[in-house]
Amino acid sequence: IAGITQAPTSQILAAGRRMTLRCTQDMRHNAMYWYRQDLGLGLRLIHYSNTAGTTGKGEVPDGYSVSRANTDDFPLTLASAVPSQTSVYFCASSPSGTGRLGYTFGSGTRLTVV
Amino acid sequence: KQEVTQIPAALSVPEGENLVLNCSFTDSAIYNLQWFRQDPGKGLTSLLLIQSSQREQTSGRLNASLDKSSGRSTLYIAASQPGDSATYLCAVLPPNDYKLSFGAGTTVTVRA
Repeated sequence: IAGITQAPTSQILAAGRRMTLRCTQDMRHNAMYWYRQDLGLGLRLIHYSNTAGTTGKGEVPDGYSVSRANTDDFPLTLASAVPSQTSVYFCASSPSGTGRLGYTFGSGTRLTVV
Repeated sequence: KQEVTQIPAALSVPEGENLVLNCSFTDSAIYNLQWFRQDPGKGLTSLLLIQSSQREQTSGRLNASLDKSSGRSTLYIAASQPGDSATYLCAVLPPNDYKLSFGAGTTVTVRA
């Protein structure tokens, strides 16, 4: 089934550790995004990529980095995790670099930093 | 900055009743609006995408309307079922950007 695969599904991480959340899509979408969802704050954009080889900062980029070496993969790295990064992380994609054809979301990664 | 509001935050209805979910946005200059469904502990599933030039979109029991001038969209779900229980989110895309602005969602409970 075409879509977005995120891994891991959930993770408990010690503060200060490095962690990479994986995201892979098989729809050949140009644009990919990382959101975090927190109770009371809704969904907030962390980083985005309009096309392979390019990335940009979203609303809450501090403490996170991304890369887009190819069309299918868009990993999110936490260099040194802090408790405030406890959240549910969603990867999303869109056929066009502008997002104008709608978005598809993955099933999320639930991350707890202790 | 675009602000998206969904009222009410929660809604409980008996099975069979029609659902009306509201979404309002402060800047009427949007490119499109998308409705999503989110089940507890799950990701977002796209329900309907309405382009700014459209007034409504329909899929099965779902109908979404868009009134850009008043900054409103409404999602109607006909003859609700317990399986419709979920959180419904709306998101708007501005014309010169590619980053969605989300509402906080309306959590719906359909009682059997």
